[in-house]
Amino acid sequence: DQQVKQNSPSLSVQEGRISILNCDYTNSMFDYFLWYKKYPAEGPTFLISISSIKDKNEDGRFTVFLNKSAKHLSLHIVPSQPGDSAVYFCAANTQGGSEKLVFGKGTKLTVNP
Amino acid sequence: KAGVTQTPRYLIKTRGQQVTLSCSPISGHRSVSWYQQTPGQGLQFLFEYFSETQRNKGNFPGRFSGRQFSNSRSEMNVSTLELGDSALYLCASSLVPGIGGELFFGEGSRLTVL
Repeated sequence: DQQVKQNSPSLSVQEGRISILNCDYTNSMFDYFLWYKKYPAEGPTFLISISSIKDKNEDGRFTVFLNKSAKHLSLHIVPSQPGDSAVYFCAANTQGGSEKLVFGKGTKLTVNP
Repeated sequence: KAGVTQTPRYLIKTRGQQVTLSCSPISGHRSVSWYQQTPGQGLQFLFEYFSETQRNKGNFPGRFSGRQFSNSRSEMNVSTLELGDSALYLCASSLVPGIGGELFFGEGSRLTVL
């Protein structure tokens, strides 16, 4: 049973445009959500997070939106840059609990110059 | 400061053998967790250790085990290897557990089972 789903295995956008990566979850106990970025041959790198008490969190070009009623979150990258090309993983946790993150299977983003 | 260090980076084993993977967390980090990444299943949680105690365990068979030492370094062991154990094994560390899941990952140990 996949509790965190990223239904788009890949996404291709032009440099300078917006990239929108989507993630759905089924477990209503999740209250903390994170996005990680992974380049080939490297470990995942933390990008941005959001607590369930918020519906938006921004960090520079990256914004995460959370819609709890729909159990949906999205990551917006504006403007997209070729260096953003990587696999993006959505993850969820119960805050204050363990380090047991539940990950989606990832979306490969390609930003074309 | 140095990141999470995992050794070995690559290894090849045959079915039935066992393997031990090592992880040195970021200096000062006391929580270590392990994840398995495969193309079909994505990243799956294996275990979590804090102060030498296993706090949580994922849904993996007993062939997968781990431990943490007093200096926070951690090892995981897989016995009686199966072909399906071929994966990238990632170690992650944080200062203490439960502070929001912002884990710092190593580059991983890529295990191939023949």
